[in-house]
Amino acid sequence: GENVEQHPSTLSVQEGDSAVIKCTYSDSASNYFPWYKQELGKRPQLIIDIRSNVGEKKDQRIAVTLNKTAKHFSLHITETQPEDSAVYFCAACSGSARQLTFGSGTQLTVLP
Amino acid sequence: KAGVTQTPRYLIKTRGQQVTLSCSPISGHRSVSWYQQTPGQGLQFLFEYFSETQRNKGNFPGRFSGRQFSNSRSEMNVSTLELGDSALYLCASTPRTSSYNEQFFGPGTRLTVL
Repeated sequence: GENVEQHPSTLSVQEGDSAVIKCTYSDSASNYFPWYKQELGKRPQLIIDIRSNVGEKKDQRIAVTLNKTAKHFSLHITETQPEDSAVYFCAACSGSARQLTFGSGTQLTVLP
Repeated sequence: KAGVTQTPRYLIKTRGQQVTLSCSPISGHRSVSWYQQTPGQGLQFLFEYFSETQRNKGNFPGRFSGRQFSNSRSEMNVSTLELGDSALYLCASTPRTSSYNEQFFGPGTRLTVL
């Protein structure tokens, strides 16, 4: 089955700096890669996703890149703000399955 | 549109008991997936239902089961509860027309097994 590895497990940045979180996946059939943000005590919220037919997607301060050959994808947050502090999860999904395999999460802390 | 709802939000049970959790998907969504979230194991897939049929199942023992009703609402049941079943149980719904797998999560049910 699919295996998703996520790094780093914790990340602290100064407000205004950029943050990068990286994930690798094992199943070459995976074709959908969402990122979720989970604040303490709240539900995971989909913040951005990318399909395997594109290499990069951007939404304001958030971007995701995908390298299918290397089987890795990354989340980039620019101009970080304290409200970006949360746990971020990457996930991968293959084919028509609706089974997301999640990474282990990254605790992002943005220091004011 | 209202989001995914789950009831109850919190539950305390003792070992050996059984529990039923409920999930109502976003209106129009017909696929419901269930996940278990724990500090040690992270987010793990339990099962997925579409049109009242279980289409996919994760690597969990048979004590974990589920079903889906004709209105797309879903329930999951855990029998003979163990301490290790303490977790946040999340359900997620997916638009029927989605070619991919955008999943929108509910707030979860926090289950504590004593």
